[in-house]
This record gives sequence, C-alpha cells and structure tokens, in this order.
Amino acid sequence: AQSVTQLGSHVSVSEGALVLLRCNYSSSVPPYLFWYVQYPNQGLQLLLKYTSAATLVKGINGFEAEFKKSETSFHLTKPSAHMSDAAEYFCAVSRSGGSQGNLIFGKGTKLSVKP
Amino acid sequence: NAGVTQTPKFRVLKTGQSMTLLCAQDMNHEYMYWYRQDPGMGLRLIHYSVGEGTTAKGEVPDGYNVSRLKKQNFLLGLESAAPSQTSVYFCASRGGLQTGELFFGEGSRLTVL
Repeated sequence: AQSVTQLGSHVSVSEGALVLLRCNYSSSVPPYLFWYVQYPNQGLQLLLKYTSAATLVKGINGFEAEFKKSETSFHLTKPSAHMSDAAEYFCAVSRSGGSQGNLIFGKGTKLSVKP
Repeated sequence: NAGVTQTPKFRVLKTGQSMTLLCAQDMNHEYMYWYRQDPGMGLRLIHYSVGEGTTAKGEVPDGYNVSRLKKQNFLLGLESAAPSQTSVYFCASRGGLQTGELFFGEGSRLTVL
C-alpha cells in the first residue's frame, strides 16, 4: 500500500528564510509524486510533480523538490520565503500503472511566514 | 477557463436531511473524484469514477452515493446527513493515468447540525 508522511503539521519561517517542507513516501512500485498548495478557502493547486524524469523538479513560485529514492523522500524547498507563500502544502503519491488514478495525500503542513 | 466547478459552495443541513453536490468539468477528463478534507486529516477519497457510467468506492464511502451519468458531471449525494459529515468536499478530475495531475474545484463547505 502507498502512503505519504509529512513531517511537521506547522512550519514557521521568517520572510527571506529558507523554506523546507518534508515528505516521505512509501510505495512498492515506482511512484509519481506531487506537491500541492492550498490558500485559505480555495482548492488545491499543483506546485510541481515528479514523474521519473529528472530527480530535481522545479515548480511554480520558485519552489523545487528533489526525489531521493534511497531516502524515500520528496522534500519541498524554496530559497527565500515570501509573505505570499503562507498556505497549506500537501504532498501526494500516485502509483504508476495503477487503475484508479487517485492520489494518496499526506495530512498537510501549514506554512506561516513572519515579517 | 472554468476547469472544475462545484455547486453549491456552502450549505447547512439538519441531521437526516438529504442533499446533492454537483461537480462539473469542461476538460473532457475521464477520471473524476470526490474527496473530503477535515482538519489534520488531509484529503480522503470518498468515491471515484474512471469513466461515464462507472463509479467505485474510495477510502471513506459510507453514507455517500455517487453517479456519473454524463462524462462531464459527477454527483455526490448524502441520503441522510449526519454531523460527522460536516466537512469541506472537493471534486477533482484527471485526464489520464500517466503522470497526469488532479485538477481541483474550489470546494463545498457542508455543515450538518
């Protein structure tokens, strides 16, 4: 069975500081991995996705994530936080070749950015 | 650029009442999903559909029914609402299985008193 664990339900950083949101996955087959962002009272938007091409994936708004098979991790980073990055972030996994196509989501990490 | 549209966006029900949430997508996607989001629980799959006329149970299907009579629409029904169904419901669609991400609606906030 697939699963996703996001370490830390709340992360707080200062504006301009590094953002690091952690995600570890469990999958018996090669996974596809996603990061989504949810702003207050909105739906989820795709930030970036890993689909077995390059292990370093660049997304929107300056975010990137690195797939590390040996560590079963897909951590999300941004070099310099902006106030507008305050949101909830979800890591998700999808089984390549699966028939359902649904994503398994982590429980989310709420990012706060202090001025 | 409508994408995925959910109606209604807000609804308050009394215990035992019934209601239907409508999801419509204009991207000609085959796959559609209903999730519920609760604080600290992430998103949990209720039901899904891999094509017109097909539906299947997800992780938390009890108390809900769905229908996919038309490819573009996916309906989620609550026959007898319970306070435990107070949640934010998200519909999503996906064009294909190979690497395709989910596209989400803006959510429907349901409160059951």
